[in-house]
Amino acid sequence: GQNIDQPTEMTATEGAIVQINCTYQTSGFNGLFWYQQHAGEAPTFLSYNVLDGLEEKGRFSSFLSRSKGYSYLLLKELQMKDSASYLCAAMNSGGYQKVTFGTGTKLQVIP
Amino acid sequence: EAQVTQNPRYLITVTGKKLTVTCSQNMNHEYMSWYRQDPGLGLRQIYYSMNVEVTDKGDVPEGYKVSRKEKRNFPLILESPSPNQTSLYFCASRTGGAQETQYFGPGTRLLVL
Repeated sequence: GQNIDQPTEMTATEGAIVQINCTYQTSGFNGLFWYQQHAGEAPTFLSYNVLDGLEEKGRFSSFLSRSKGYSYLLLKELQMKDSASYLCAAMNSGGYQKVTFGTGTKLQVIP
Repeated sequence: EAQVTQNPRYLITVTGKKLTVTCSQNMNHEYMSWYRQDPGLGLRQIYYSMNVEVTDKGDVPEGYKVSRKEKRNFPLILESPSPNQTSLYFCASRTGGAQETQYFGPGTRLLVL
C-alpha cells in the first residue's frame, strides 16, 4: 500500500516563494503527481515526476527523490490566486498503476 | 477540447433509491477512475478501470458498482445509497505512458437523506 504525508496548512506572502513537501512510503512506486485544487472545484494537474531531480514549469517546479521517498512543489512569485489546496499523489508500479492521494496542503497567500 | 464530463453535477436523493453518475472522456484514454472526496480524508479511490471490461476495486468500493462497456464512458452506480455516501465525487481519466497526465471531471456533489 501507499502512505502519503504532507502538511495540512501553510501561509505565505504574496510575491514570495513557498515549498510544499510530500513524503511517501510505498510497496511499489512509479511516480508522483502534484495537483492544485481551489475550493469547490476539481483538481488541476500540475506535474508528474518519475525521475529524480527538479522539473520546472513557469512559476511552479516539482522535485523528486526516489531514494528518500520525498517530493516538493515549489511556487515562486506567489500570487493571491495561488491560494488553494495542493495535492500530492503517488502512483504505484504494476498493471494499473494505482494512484493514492495525500490529504492535501491548504496554502493561504496573504498580501 | 480535452475534457472529462460528469452528470449530474448536484444530486439530492433518499436512502435506498438507486442512482447512476455518468462520466465520459473525449481523449481516448484507457485508464479511468472514480474518487470520493471528504473533509480531512482527501481523495480516495473507489474503482478504477484499465480498459473496456477491465475494472477493479480501489480503497473504498463498498456500496458502489461500475461498468466500462465503452472506452469513453465509466458510470458509477449506487444500488442502494446510504447517508454515509454523501460526498463529492470525481471521475478522472489518465493518459498512461511517459507523459503521464490525469484529468478530472468537474465533480458531482451528492447528498443522501
